[in-house]
Amino acid sequence: GQQVMQIPQYQHVQEGEDFTTYCNSSTTLSNIQWYKQRPGGHPVFLIQLVKSGEVKKQKRLTFQFGEAKKNSSLHITATQTTDVGTYFCAGMFSGGYNKLIFGAGTRLAVHP
Amino acid sequence: DAGVIQSPRHEVTEMGQEVTLRCKPISGHNSLFWYRQTMMRGLELLIYFNNNVPIDDSGMPEDRFSAKMPNASFSTLKIQPSEPRDSAVYFCASTYSSGTEAFFGQGTRLTVV
Repeated sequence: GQQVMQIPQYQHVQEGEDFTTYCNSSTTLSNIQWYKQRPGGHPVFLIQLVKSGEVKKQKRLTFQFGEAKKNSSLHITATQTTDVGTYFCAGMFSGGYNKLIFGAGTRLAVHP
Repeated sequence: DAGVIQSPRHEVTEMGQEVTLRCKPISGHNSLFWYRQTMMRGLELLIYFNNNVPIDDSGMPEDRFSAKMPNASFSTLKIQPSEPRDSAVYFCASTYSSGTEAFFGQGTRLTVV
């Protein structure tokens, strides 16, 4: 079936340390999206990657899409306490109609 | 636009009762997704609609769950009868079918006792 695997499940860092979460799909994706969910909140869209090998940056966040369009990563440089939350990747599977499947998410805790 | 609107925000019900969750997608969006979120299983896709037509309901856990989208501005997810293991946060999300970002509602926190 269509699945998106995401690791790690949890990550605890000291403020100022870097953080990376990884996603992998068994099949080629149409695109991959990243979302952030704060505790008690709902997932909020961060970015979408469409092209093979694409790299996008948002301030301290760097997003990459693999050459085969099956894997992706999110890297946060010098984490801050405001980065706390769960980061989800979501793979868009093509084939007529777009189906958005979420990874399990990585919960990030940042200690001051 | 007010975004995706879900109601109720919280629902507590007794086992065996019928529960109906409601969603109003963003105007103009033609794809709608229902997700269930639990600690154990994360964000599970239950069903999604395109132009009000159910496209894939393979994530619906069992026959107790049903979803409808009678028009472009309204969808329901019904559980009948409800069971304690249905307790979760249920999210509705909408998007353009071209595969752009999904906008989530605030979610409905369901507790079945």
